[in-house]
Amino acid sequence: DAKTTQPNSMESNEEEPVHLPCNHSTISGTDYIHWYRQLPSQGPEYVIHGLTSNVNNRMASLAIAEDRKSSTLILHRATLRDAAVYYCILRQNNDMRFGAGTRLTVKP
Amino acid sequence: NAGVTQTPKFQVLKTGQSMTLQCAQDMNHNSMYWYRQDPGMGLRLIYYSASEGTTDKGEVPNGYNVSRLNKREFSLRLESAAPSQTSVYFCASSVAPSGVEEQFFGPGTRLTVL
Repeated sequence: DAKTTQPNSMESNEEEPVHLPCNHSTISGTDYIHWYRQLPSQGPEYVIHGLTSNVNNRMASLAIAEDRKSSTLILHRATLRDAAVYYCILRQNNDMRFGAGTRLTVKP
Repeated sequence: NAGVTQTPKFQVLKTGQSMTLQCAQDMNHNSMYWYRQDPGMGLRLIYYSASEGTTDKGEVPNGYNVSRLNKREFSLRLESAAPSQTSVYFCASSVAPSGVEEQFFGPGTRLTVL
């Protein structure tokens, strides 16, 4: 199974951009790159996904390397509500394998 | 629109007891999923139902059974609970079983097996 590698934790200051990296060197051509986040004591929530091209939505941007072996989730202006565990997931179908994720701390 | 609801929110069982976790979604989604999350770890897929009338094993199915009662409801049963099944259980749903569709998660059930 294709796996992802993320830093255990990151810190950011409020209202500054945050770049959350993810390595997935064994990604296959049909794997989509998904990002979910989990706020304390809640279920995960979808953030963004992409295949080859960079993607933007109201929550974040996803930058995908040209060789697809890494990607970066970008939060343009972190708020205290963005403090969560962020999961980078490779997904072909129903099988969504969560790793340990990156715990993001946002400082006021 | 409640989204995905789970009952109960908390449960304590003794080893060997049985129980059923309930999950319902009101988004007319075809696919539903059960995950477990152990402390400090990511979620692991137990079972999923790609569409009404079908169920398939995920990564960690041992010790569990599921029933897709109808399009809205997907239950998870522990026949003989073990301490290793102490975990937080999340139900999720999606429009279709593909690599693209977003999964919507419920609030979770915290289960402790003594």
